[in-house]
Amino acid sequence: EAGVTQSPTHLIKTRGQQATLRCSPISGHTSVYWYQQALGLGLQFLLWYDEGEERNRGNFPPRFSGRQFPNYSSELNVNALELEDSALYLCASSFSDRGLSGYTFGSGTRLTVV
Amino acid sequence: GQNIDQPTEMTATEGAIVQINCTYQTSGFNGLFWYQQHAGEAPTFLSYNVLDGLEEKGRFSSFLSRSKGYSYLLLKELQMKDSASYLCGPVLTGGGNKLTFGTGTQLKVEL
Repeated sequence: EAGVTQSPTHLIKTRGQQATLRCSPISGHTSVYWYQQALGLGLQFLLWYDEGEERNRGNFPPRFSGRQFPNYSSELNVNALELEDSALYLCASSFSDRGLSGYTFGSGTRLTVV
Repeated sequence: GQNIDQPTEMTATEGAIVQINCTYQTSGFNGLFWYQQHAGEAPTFLSYNVLDGLEEKGRFSSFLSRSKGYSYLLLKELQMKDSASYLCGPVLTGGGNKLTFGTGTQLKVEL
């Protein structure tokens, strides 16, 4: 069974540009979660999508947005990139039992803003 | 809100036992996960506690006290491959279940 897949693995962007990160959940999982892992700051919750809708959002500015497609894959968009957006972005998926059965993480997208 | 606190770093010897503590101040608590993350890799699931008490799984055990806002991860018979970051993750019910994490405890296992 394929795990959670994220693409691209690495992404380099210039300040002010936009970045799009993609995530495909495990088959059967309908919830997708996005996390930012900046150096020294741990995993910060960004967004939660379930059944195509945004269910919850962390303390991030509106330039962080996303969506979930009918096949439950998800996209994270970061507009007007800033240097401090450089981080590892992790996606996790779970069944739609609000994650109580466990979350499976992808390997992440390393975003570097220069 | 939440305030997750765990030690930043710990060092232990191969074959020994180590306990990683986690405290959290949160309302709407609905269980706690522990994840292991090796450098450059995705976090992997270790345990989930929703009721008070100890859950044992091989060399790893996890304990939860809901009334005290306290959990610990116990690693026995430490191996070099256990060197990793250990993430404590309470689940919050406000606005729908949300898995939050502390900054993680970097465990270094030495010979």
